[in-house]
Amino acid sequence: AQTVTQSQPEMSVQEAETVTLSCTYDTSESDYYLFWYKQPPSRQMILVIRQEAYKQQNATENRFSVNFQKAAKSFSLKISDSQLGDAAMYFCAYRSYNLNFGNEKLTFGTGTRLTIIP
Amino acid sequence: DAGVIQSPRHEVTEMGQEVTLRCKPISGHNSLFWYRQTMMRGLELLIYFNNNVPIDDSGMPEDRFSAKMPNASFSTLKIQPSEPRDSAVYFCASRRRTSGGDYTQYFGPGTRLTVL
Repeated sequence: AQTVTQSQPEMSVQEAETVTLSCTYDTSESDYYLFWYKQPPSRQMILVIRQEAYKQQNATENRFSVNFQKAAKSFSLKISDSQLGDAAMYFCAYRSYNLNFGNEKLTFGTGTRLTIIP
Repeated sequence: DAGVIQSPRHEVTEMGQEVTLRCKPISGHNSLFWYRQTMMRGLELLIYFNNNVPIDDSGMPEDRFSAKMPNASFSTLKIQPSEPRDSAVYFCASRRRTSGGDYTQYFGPGTRLTVL
C-alpha cells in the first residue's frame, strides 16, 4: 500500500518570504499523481498544485511550485512571496495512475500547519 | 460552475440517532467520493462511486454506515445509529472520470458532525 509522509507538523514563515513544505511517499508504482491540497480554517479542501509522475518538469502555479524528485520519492511544495492568506493546513496526497478497482482513492499525509508571520 | 455542495454544514445529534449527510457533485462529474477527517486518523476514504455504482466501500467503518447514489447529481451518507466516535468532518469530492481528462478530485466544504 502507498504511504505519504509529511514530517513537519508545523511551519512558520515571515510574510513575503519563501517556505518549503516536505512530502515523501512510498510506492512500487511507476506512474501516479501527486497533489498538494490546502485546508484553511474554513475546512474547505482546495487544490493547490498537481504533478504527473511521468512528467519530468516540475509543476508551477503562480507563487506555488513543486520540487518533484521521483527517484527519491520526494514531492516538496515551495511557496514564494508568502501571504497572510496562505495560512492553512497543507496536505500532500498520492493517487495511482491506474484506474483499476480501488485505485481511485487519494492517500493523504498527516498535514503541515503553515503560519504566516506578519 | 458551482462546486461540490454538501449539506448540512454542521450537524449535532445525540447518540443513537440517525444522521444523513448529503452531497451534490459538480455537474458532469461521474465519480463521487466520501472522506472522513479526524484528528486521530486524518483523511480517509470511506467509499466511492463511478457512474452511480459503488466501487470500493472497504473504508466504510462498519455496518452502521451506508451510502447511496440514486442518480448522478445526488449522494447520501447515512449513519444509523450514530455514536460519539463518529464525530468528524465528512467530505464529499467529485471527479470527471475520462481517459486523459482531469483526474483531480474537487472537494465540498465538508459537514462537521458532532455526536453527543
